[in-house]
Amino acid sequence: GQQVMQIPQYQHVQEGEDFTTYCNSSTTLSNIQWYKQRPGGHPVFLIQLVKSGEVKKQKRLTFQFGEAKKNSSLHITATQTTDVGTYFCAGREMNTGFQKLVFGTGTRLLVSP
Amino acid sequence: KAGVTQTPRYLIKTRGQQVTLSCSPISGHRSVSWYQQTPGQGLQFLFEYFSETQRNKGNFPGRFSGRQFSNSRSEMNVSTLELGDSALYLCASSLAGRNSGNTIYFGEGSWLTVV
Repeated sequence: GQQVMQIPQYQHVQEGEDFTTYCNSSTTLSNIQWYKQRPGGHPVFLIQLVKSGEVKKQKRLTFQFGEAKKNSSLHITATQTTDVGTYFCAGREMNTGFQKLVFGTGTRLLVSP
Repeated sequence: KAGVTQTPRYLIKTRGQQVTLSCSPISGHRSVSWYQQTPGQGLQFLFEYFSETQRNKGNFPGRFSGRQFSNSRSEMNVSTLELGDSALYLCASSLAGRNSGNTIYFGEGSWLTVV
């Protein structure tokens, strides 16, 4: 079945440093979504990418969808302590039918002031 | 607009018991999906319902079951609880659409501890 891996599993940065998490799917995706889960909280939707090679920005966050639609990345510029949490990618396989959303393994980000 | 509501938020059960968790989706959302989250396994898909029909199922044993009612509210049940079933159970709702890229909105989850 479809598998979605993320690296790194964990990263600890100093406030102001950049951070990137990478997401790789074993199959081609119709779209990819990114979620953030704060400690003790539930996942919250950040963004969705649909087109091959698509790049979207949200303030300090930059999201990319690979040309082959099998990988994606999230880059945070100049991290802040409010960025702490676990970032998940989630994708649906290319299919004409309903498909479950498969979540990546997550990258836990810790930011020290 | 109210978000996804899950009850109960916290519960403790003993091995062998069964548990029922409830989820009320966002008004107008017809799709409800359930996920199990554990530190070691991450977010694992359990099942998804649309219009009272299960349209997708994850790789969980038959002890895990669910259903959806005509008002889109959903319940999941776990029978013969095992210690390994201790987890955060998350419900999510979305607008329905064939192969859609609809965003899913998560509830705050139900924390289940099996002792």
